[in-house]
Amino acid sequence: AQSVAQPEDQVNVAEGNPLTVKCTYSVSGNPYLFWYVQYPNRGLQFLLKYITGDNLVKGSYGFEAEFNKSQTSFHLKKPSALVSDSALYFCAVKAGNTGKLIFGQGTTLQVKP
Amino acid sequence: SQTIHQWPATLVQPVGSPLSLECTVEGTSNPNLYWYRQAAGRGLQLLFYSVGIGQISSEVPQNLSASRPQDRQFILSSKKLLLSDSGFYLCAWSGLAANTGELFFGEGSRLTVL
Repeated sequence: AQSVAQPEDQVNVAEGNPLTVKCTYSVSGNPYLFWYVQYPNRGLQFLLKYITGDNLVKGSYGFEAEFNKSQTSFHLKKPSALVSDSALYFCAVKAGNTGKLIFGQGTTLQVKP
Repeated sequence: SQTIHQWPATLVQPVGSPLSLECTVEGTSNPNLYWYRQAAGRGLQLLFYSVGIGQISSEVPQNLSASRPQDRQFILSSKKLLLSDSGFYLCAWSGLAANTGELFFGEGSRLTVL
């Protein structure tokens, strides 16, 4: 069965520093991987996805993610964090042919000025 | 462009009362539709999904049900709410043709059962 794991409940970084939010996955076949962001009391916003091709995927708001097949990872990255990036981040994997996504437990990103 | 609407945004209901949360999508046709629940501000649990009118798949046994009376309308219901039904309910859609595609979420409905 497909699954994703986000090993960190919270990540703290200083504004201007690079950030990484970790995600590992377990799938049979080729993985379709996604990152979402959620601000308090809001719905989830799509950031980026990996389907095939270049292992470095660029997304919204300056975020990017690196797909690593050998390590079964799909870490979210940003070269320079902003205070406004503070939010809850979810990694997800596509499950089956109906388009449904399986989400990780989420990682809270706290960017301090 | 496509939009998704959920209502009500917040709801406080007594135990044992009925529930109806509605979700509609505009700007697309024949979408896949999904209901997720988020408890305690963390992980999302898929409750139901639908690939067409009247076609509902349930992911977990529970006190809730879903219906899709129209192509772009998805309703989450309960006849008698339990305390454990409290949570943040998110509706989402995806395009059928883009089976590799992402889900697009509504703004959520926060349900508190007292």
